[in-house]
Amino acid sequence: DGGITQSPKYLFRKEGQNVTLSCEQNLNHDAMYWYRQDPGQGLRLIYYSQIVNDFQKGDIAEGYSVSREKKESFPLTVTSAQKNPTAFYLCASLPSGTDTQYFGPGTRLTVL
Amino acid sequence: EDQVTQSPEALRLQEGESSSLNCSYTVSGLRGLFWYRQDPGKGPEFLFTLYSAGEEKEKERLKATLTKKESFLHITAPKPEDSATYLCAVQARNTDKLIFGTGTRLQVFP
Repeated sequence: DGGITQSPKYLFRKEGQNVTLSCEQNLNHDAMYWYRQDPGQGLRLIYYSQIVNDFQKGDIAEGYSVSREKKESFPLTVTSAQKNPTAFYLCASLPSGTDTQYFGPGTRLTVL
Repeated sequence: EDQVTQSPEALRLQEGESSSLNCSYTVSGLRGLFWYRQDPGKGPEFLFTLYSAGEEKEKERLKATLTKKESFLHITAPKPEDSATYLCAVQARNTDKLIFGTGTRLQVFP
């Protein structure tokens, strides 16, 4: 089955700890994106990557880091510098030559 | 500043009661407008992409339309399984970024 997978589905973290969220796709899509979703707000772009070994900051990159070592994978690290990390995190990918992004199932991060 | 506003925030319909959801946008040159459906605790599911004023697209009970200032998602004879949050997003020319609205939460009762 082709698709976008995110793991884990639920993640709990203590304050002061870094945590890494996984995003994998086997769709051969070049571009990948990370969004954050909070109640009552629209999705906000954290980071995106159009090709391997290259990525750009989105609108709310502070306190986050990413890597893109493989086309299939775009992990997101939520660092201890992120002041309010509790949220629903969504990964998306974009087929080449199109404008439509497709989303994974999401990871809900809760900071205790 | 590029902006997307969706209304209403929430909508309750009786099964079979048709209605429309609104997405008003301000963007410096529209590249595309996107509709997604999102069920609780899940990722958004793609519905439609619209590119130019006057364009319409349909899928089952849903029809999306586009003008120069807004888009409508028309739901004809909705069923309880249509209950979800519907998200609208726009993309400006010369950018890869999507600007999302806050969504309309639709509940359809039998």
